[in-house]
Amino acid sequence: DTEVTQTPKHLVMGMTNKKSLKCEQHMGHRAMYWYKQKAKKPPELMFVYSYEKLSINESVPSRFSPECPNSSLLNLHLHALQPEDSALYLCASSQNEGLETQYFGPGTRLLVL
Amino acid sequence: ELKVEQNPLFLSMQEGKNYTIYCNYSTTSDRLYWYRQDPGKSLESLFVLLSNGAVKQEGRLMASLDTKARLSTLHITAAVHDLSATYFCAVEGMSGGGADGLTFGKGTHLIIQP
Repeated sequence: DTEVTQTPKHLVMGMTNKKSLKCEQHMGHRAMYWYKQKAKKPPELMFVYSYEKLSINESVPSRFSPECPNSSLLNLHLHALQPEDSALYLCASSQNEGLETQYFGPGTRLLVL
Repeated sequence: ELKVEQNPLFLSMQEGKNYTIYCNYSTTSDRLYWYRQDPGKSLESLFVLLSNGAVKQEGRLMASLDTKARLSTLHITAAVHDLSATYFCAVEGMSGGGADGLTFGKGTHLIIQP
């Protein structure tokens, strides 16, 4: 099973709302990632969690707050977002050693009004 | 700063033809990944290339890696319409830790016409 699941699939939120994106994998992977992808652009790395600890933060604004409650779950908490944050948010996971591919979830398509 | 450059960025080709997509990168990494993305969908892993000279083939697609030239190629043989998609190459970061995020090329938007 090489499945990464993400919920919700679509999300519309106002700039004053607080929402969370959820990602789950049951492949025993110890590294999990958040990427942001704007239309017709490549994915851009946001955060990396390695063994449930934040190891890389690509200078992401604090209105995005990641959380890794356990080795299978990864959340992205959203607060006071801007319209330019509208994008496809992709979660991925991999073996920590990085010798295998990163498996991507289906993504959450976010629209900020 | 890690840079990954793909070319061409857009490719329209006829079914049955052969073509190659090129991916140049700026680090000494020996790990390179190819992904496919269909419109409105997520990324599907195609190939993982882990050493100099690595060559992998799946169906009509073949990928290779030359770490000395910092170049990877994705070759399409006898293209069929189902291969129409955006293809990304990606290179792992060099933080030195166990897990690194990927830096992607801009992608090659491939259209295969009957």
